[in-house]
Amino acid sequence: QVQLVQSGAEVKKPGASVKVSCKTSGYTFTDYFIHWVRQAPAQGLEWMGWINSNSGGTIYAQKFQGRVTMTRDTSITTAYMDLSRLRSDDTAVYYCARGDYDILAGYPVPDYWGQGTLVTVSS
Amino acid sequence: QSVLTQPPSASGTPGQSVSISCSGSRSNIGGNYVLWYQHLPGTAPKLLIYRNNQRPSGVPDRFSGSKSGTSASLAISGLRSEDEADYYCATWDDSLRGFWVFGGGTKLTVL
Repeated sequence: QVQLVQSGAEVKKPGASVKVSCKTSGYTFTDYFIHWVRQAPAQGLEWMGWINSNSGGTIYAQKFQGRVTMTRDTSITTAYMDLSRLRSDDTAVYYCARGDYDILAGYPVPDYWGQGTLVTVSS
Repeated sequence: QSVLTQPPSASGTPGQSVSISCSGSRSNIGGNYVLWYQHLPGTAPKLLIYRNNQRPSGVPDRFSGSKSGTSASLAISGLRSEDEADYYCATWDDSLRGFWVFGGGTKLTVL
């Protein structure tokens, strides 16, 4: 079965960086994209971007341009999200989600999700 | 604020039917497919509906989706206690360079 297992909770100081991993299994990693989505406390979901697991190509939401880097290691079917220059309002649960390319829609659709990683930014 | 607007809460008793709305604009719902997710806090969100009204395998037919213009709805019939969860709508937005947008979520309580 499809599984996405994320790394554990992190506590970071303002200005630091955090790297969250997303280990996948149960499907052919390079046939799908990986989305990253976050949810701040008492807030809705916010899309951060996606990575093409085959080519490594990325699309980032404008809000995170310059601060986020998404990578992947195909040998261990794992995706990573690196967020730099952390601020207190980056405190959130970060999710990875598999992106299944919808031919009719023209973009990858998030279908299976990881369990989430809590990142707390505090001095 | 979320780009897509959902009511913060909804409720029903076991066996009843409930509907959750999701309102957007021409750049998102108006021109793209809508998805719905079920989310229990601390767990992975689960895809319930894609392409407005399609159910992934394994999702009961008690869950149905619809879309009209710039709004969409999720209907749940025959409510069960295990349906108590947060529900989110999502779609692609064509503005700027394109990005995914979500609703703020609706907390469904089964009384």
